[in-house]
Amino acid sequence: DAGVIQSPRHEVTEMGQEVTLRCKPISGHNSLFWYRQTMMRGLELLIYFNNNVPIDDSGMPEDRFSAKMPNASFSTLKIQPSEPRDSAVYFCASSFGVLNNEQFFGPGTRLTVL
Amino acid sequence: EDKVVQSPLSLVVHEGDTVTLNCSYEVTNFRSLLWYKQEKKAPTFLFMLTSSGIEKKSGRLSSILDKKELFSILNITATQTGDSAIYLCAVANNAGNMLTFGGGTRLMVKP
Repeated sequence: DAGVIQSPRHEVTEMGQEVTLRCKPISGHNSLFWYRQTMMRGLELLIYFNNNVPIDDSGMPEDRFSAKMPNASFSTLKIQPSEPRDSAVYFCASSFGVLNNEQFFGPGTRLTVL
Repeated sequence: EDKVVQSPLSLVVHEGDTVTLNCSYEVTNFRSLLWYKQEKKAPTFLFMLTSSGIEKKSGRLSSILDKKELFSILNITATQTGDSAIYLCAVANNAGNMLTFGGGTRLMVKP
C-alpha cells in the first residue's frame, strides 16, 4: 500500500490567495483527519471525517478554512483567503474501523504564506 | 476538554544512554494512549496502550501505562543517533476516533 498521499508537498503563496491541500487516505480506511503542526502550538486536529461525513470540525480555526470529502478516497482542505499565520505543516491521517485509534499519517504539506 | 502534557520538552543525551519520556493526561472516558515518533516528516506509530501495568516492547523501546495515576512512560535503552526525533503522546476517548496530542518531547542523541 502506498500509505496516505498528500499533495502538494510544499506550497508557497501570497497572502490573500486560495490554497487547496489534497489527501488520499489508505484504501479501506474509513476515518480521515486533518491536522496542523506549528512550533508554537504543536499538532492540532482541525477536522475529522468518518465514512466521508464530517464528525468534528471544532478545530477549524475560522471560516477561511473548509474541508470536504466527496468520496472515500479523496479529501481537500481549503484556505481562502490565506494569511501568513496559516503557515504550518498540514498533515492528513487515516484510520480503519470504529474506535480503532491507530492513525497513519501522510508526509504533510508545508505551507508558507508570504 | 482532553489534555496531554509531555515532559521534558527537550532532552540531549549521548549514545548508549537510557532515556525516559513522560506523558500525563486528563481525558473523559479514556480509551487508549498512543506514542508516535516524528523525525523529519510525518509521525509514525510506536505503541498503543489500553491496559495498566502491561509493558509493550519493541526492540530498545518500551512503554507502560498507569491508568490510576494517569500517565505513561516511554523508555529507550542504549540510545542511538537514529533515535533523535520528536516523541508524541496522544490519548483517545470513547467518544470516537479523535486523538488529542501532547506537545512532544524533542530528543537529541549525540554520538
